Amino acid sequence: AQSVTQPDIHITVSEGASLELRCNYSYGATPYLFWYVQSPGQGLQLLLKYFSGDTLVQGIKGFEAEFKRSQSSFNLRKPSVHWSDAAEYFCAVGGGSSNTGKLIFGQGTTLQVKP
Amino acid sequence: DAGVIQSPRHEVTEMGQEVTLRCKPISGHDYLFWYRQTMMRGLELLIYFNNNVPIDDSGMPEDRFSAKMPNASFSTLKIQPSEPRDSAVYFCASSRGTGFGTEAFFGQGTRLTVV
Repeated sequence: AQSVTQPDIHITVSEGASLELRCNYSYGATPYLFWYVQSPGQGLQLLLKYFSGDTLVQGIKGFEAEFKRSQSSFNLRKPSVHWSDAAEYFCAVGGGSSNTGKLIFGQGTTLQVKP
Repeated sequence: DAGVIQSPRHEVTEMGQEVTLRCKPISGHDYLFWYRQTMMRGLELLIYFNNNVPIDDSGMPEDRFSAKMPNASFSTLKIQPSEPRDSAVYFCASSRGTGFGTEAFFGQGTRLTVV
């Protein structure tokens, strides 16, 4: 069955510290992988996506993610967190040859940033 | 483009009443998705359309839920009768085409509270 697991429900980091949010997926075909961010009361904004090619992808707001097929992981990273990064982050999988934009989401990780 | 537009942003209704949520996808997008977000179940796909035709409604929780897409620029999600457990944030998303590069764009969501 297709699924996405985000092992960390809640993470707290200090402003300026590095960040890594974990994501593991289970998908039978070639996965297309996404990270979305949701600020309180807002919709989902796409941070970055992986379809093929270079396994390290760059996104907006200084985020990057690395696709590791052997580990079925797509972890999100940022070298220095800003207070404005506090939000909920969702990893999602979709795709295959019939990719339509239909997504399966993880449960989300809430990021709190300490001053 | 204004993005995916959902209305209303907030809806409070009494149990037993009919509720209609509305969505205007991005012009030119031929896929439309309805997701529901709750604390317990996270983000789950309810139904999606391709060229105004429902493709997969397996995520619709009960017969009380129905969705329509009368034309390429409008979709509704209706709950009749509503129940308190339907309280959630409902997101509409749209995408264009299939395959490489396809991504879903989300609206701001409708927060539904059934009392």
